[in-house]
Amino acid sequence: QVTLKESGPGILQPSQTLSLTCTFSGFSLSTYGMGVGWIRQPSGKGLEWLANIWWDDDKYYNPSLKNRLTISKDTSNNQAFLKITNVDTADTATYYCARIEELWVYGYWGQGVMVTVSS
Amino acid sequence: AIVLNQSPSSIIASQGEKVTITCRASSSISSNYLHWYQQKPGAFPKLVIYSTSYRASGVPSRFSGSGSGTSYSFTISRVEAEDVATYYCQQGSSNPFTFGSGTKLEIK
Repeated sequence: QVTLKESGPGILQPSQTLSLTCTFSGFSLSTYGMGVGWIRQPSGKGLEWLANIWWDDDKYYNPSLKNRLTISKDTSNNQAFLKITNVDTADTATYYCARIEELWVYGYWGQGVMVTVSS
Repeated sequence: AIVLNQSPSSIIASQGEKVTITCRASSSISSNYLHWYQQKPGAFPKLVIYSTSYRASGVPSRFSGSGSGTSYSFTISRVEAEDVATYYCQQGSSNPFTFGSGTKLEIK
């Protein structure tokens, strides 16, 4: 059974760095063809893809945010991470991690973690 | 960046009615990389259709998809009350791997 769960700080202040963790089970990020992606959704709005990391450590970033994003993984502990630097109120959203598979499809999603940026 | 234009942005349908959502891409994409998700109110998105026309595991047969190139569609043959959700298309063909703006389905 594949499960993913996001964790994060809940609230942080503008200009700080947001650190998110995705803890998963039921698959390994050392397995060929497996990956984890991060997607966010401001309240009442649509989905925005942020970044993906693959089993071979290949990484992809949304160019509109690339300078602020860092994705990484800890294969031994079945975790993936996303850091967003210099946050502002526009980064307030629910952040999801999802397993990404061949053909760039997000087959399994976490429940999401709400993050609020506020002074 | 490939922009995915979904239409309509909202639909109000009666139970048993057929509904179709269109997703038009600003550039041609391989049909293998066009997917559809369902997000029920207050929940996370769930994969419904992958690679244009393949139903994900456990998805009822009333859901279907088709298309090629820049034009794709998602159809619910007979809408049920449990189908109330926002539906998104997504392309995995080129970076950034964008989502459509969503279509909100409500029941009369």
